[in-house]
Amino acid sequence: DVKVTQSSRYLVKRTGEKVFLECVQDMDHENMFWYRQDPGLGLRLIYFSYDVKMKEKGDIPEGYSVSREKKERFSLILESASTNQTSMYLCASSRPGQGSYEQYFGPGTRLTVT
Amino acid sequence: AQSVAQPEDQVNVAEGNPLTVKCTYSVSGNPYLFWYVQYPNRGLQFLLKYITGDNLVKGSYGFEAEFNKSQTSFHLKKPSALVSDSALYFCAVVVSGSSNTGKLIFGQGTTLQVKP
Repeated sequence: DVKVTQSSRYLVKRTGEKVFLECVQDMDHENMFWYRQDPGLGLRLIYFSYDVKMKEKGDIPEGYSVSREKKERFSLILESASTNQTSMYLCASSRPGQGSYEQYFGPGTRLTVT
Repeated sequence: AQSVAQPEDQVNVAEGNPLTVKCTYSVSGNPYLFWYVQYPNRGLQFLLKYITGDNLVKGSYGFEAEFNKSQTSFHLKKPSALVSDSALYFCAVVVSGSSNTGKLIFGQGTTLQVKP
């Protein structure tokens, strides 16, 4: 079974802090994704990565950056946390190619910025 | 613009009754469609997908979904609901032209409440 783990289930940070969210997958997947989930808005893509050191902006990249130094690990960075970044953050991975596409999700990190 | 719509915020059904959670999509080209389920304070779990072939696809936990090209719909169904099916359900579609990266667009989610 694919396993995607996230470093924290719950996190409380102060406004202005730099925040790191870590995601690790154990299935050698090329693609990794960071989403935020807010009630009534579904999942919105922040960033994704299709290979080591490769990244692309998603729909809402402002205020975030990412790092992928190793294939199995994809980090989301909040450069200066703000209260409007309070949300559930979900990481996912997938293998590219025809007939595949399903993404495998981690348990999520509920971040509160005060 | 590509999009996925789940027209109902919440669906209520009695245990043992059939359930339907609706999804419509708008993409260019052939759609690759997915359903995911999320239990409280958990990540999303893959339920089923339509890539090609039979319009009726079967997935986990007794769920199935029917792809209807003319109505651009992909409704999730189950013949007999269980209380344990109560959860948040998301429909998703692969973004056209992203066959390599598999980027998904998600609907806003539908809460399914099954009452005993």
